[in-house]
Parts: sequence; C-alpha cells; structure tokens
Amino acid sequence: EVQLVESGGGLVQPGGSLRLSCAASGFTVSSNYMSWVRQAPGKGLQWVSIIYSGGSTYYGDSVKGRFTISRDNSKNTLHLQMNSLRAEDTAVYYCAREVYFGSGWYFDCWGQGTLVTVSS
Amino acid sequence: EVVLTQSPATLSLSPGERATLSCRASQSVGSYLAWYQQTPGQAPRLLIYDASNRATGIPARFSGSGSGTDFTLTISSLEPEDFAVYYCQQRSNWPGTFGGGTKVEIK
Repeated sequence: EVQLVESGGGLVQPGGSLRLSCAASGFTVSSNYMSWVRQAPGKGLQWVSIIYSGGSTYYGDSVKGRFTISRDNSKNTLHLQMNSLRAEDTAVYYCAREVYFGSGWYFDCWGQGTLVTVSS
Repeated sequence: EVVLTQSPATLSLSPGERATLSCRASQSVGSYLAWYQQTPGQAPRLLIYDASNRATGIPARFSGSGSGTDFTLTISSLEPEDFAVYYCQQRSNWPGTFGGGTKVEIK
C-alpha cells in the first residue's frame, strides 16, 4: 500500500527553525516527484516546494531562500528544512507524490499532514 | 503565476441534487487541470485529472469538463459523503497553483 506519514510539526517562535519529515512506504521516494503543499488555517492549498526524481528542486516565492527540500534515500524519506519562520508560515504541511496521469502530472497520494504553528 | 478562481465559494444543496462548480484560469492551462476533494481533517483526494478523466475509484457521478481557461466539475446527484471542499489545480506551468476552493454544504 502506498502511504506517506509526516512528522516534525509543532510550535516554534518567529525566526526559528523546524525540520519536517515524510516517511514513504509502498514506493521509492527518489524515483518520484515529491512535493510539500501547505494549508493555512481555514485557507486553501499552496504548493511550497518540489524535488524531482533527478534531484532538481523548486520553491514557491514565499519560501525561497528560507526552506530547503531534500530526501534521504536510505530511509525513503522526504524532508523540509524550514528556517527564518514567520507567522504566515503557520499551516498544515502535507507531503504529496506526483505521478503522470494521461498527459500531465498530478498528486495521487498525500500524507495526513503535520501542523506548524509560528507564534511567540 | 496562473491564478485560478473558483465559484461559487459556497454551494448549499440537498442530497440528490446536482452540483456545478466552476474554475477559471487567468491564462490558458490547456487541459492540465485537476480537481481534488477535501473533507474536514483529511488530506485532499484526486477526483479528476486532465480536466475530464476520473481518477481510479472515483464514482461516475463526478465529471469534469473544459479546456483553456474555463473548467467545470459536476456532481450529478449528491451523496452524503460528497459534502466537502473542492479545489481545482493547474499543472500547466510552475508553480502549480490551486484555486481558493468551493465548499459544498448541506442545505
């Protein structure tokens, strides 16, 4: 069964750091496009970052220079290192897998999410 | 960045009724559009990809249409489990963006 389980969320002060993890089972993280998507309380979805199977990474403008996406192939795990956190980074963070359906790439599997709260 | 605008923000309907949700893109995304369903406390679930193709296991009462800038998700007859928030998402170019969502609530 394909599954994603996030961890590492919590309460952090503005300017602080946090590292999220997403453990995958049923497939190989390094062979897939993997993303982080966040959802602020009561709000919609926002794509944060992606790491392609080849290793290239991209970031949304709001997190560029502060967040780093990476993967640990030995543990089949995706990470998101978040530095210089701001109140507006408060959200549930989902990891998600993108696969090729039809003629495009779409999210077919999501984790249950981990809540990050940035507050003093 | 492509902006997706969903309407209406809230749709109040009764079980058995037909739901029609709209998603409009600020520029053409071809057919690279998906619809996701999210119930409270749960992760989104892929319903429709490539604007009109149902994902695996999705009931036939869900259908999608459109191309370019105007897209529609139709639920032909609402079941109790269909009351949820629906998001459209484009993957035509980076960053892939989501619409603001349409909440389908019980009238």
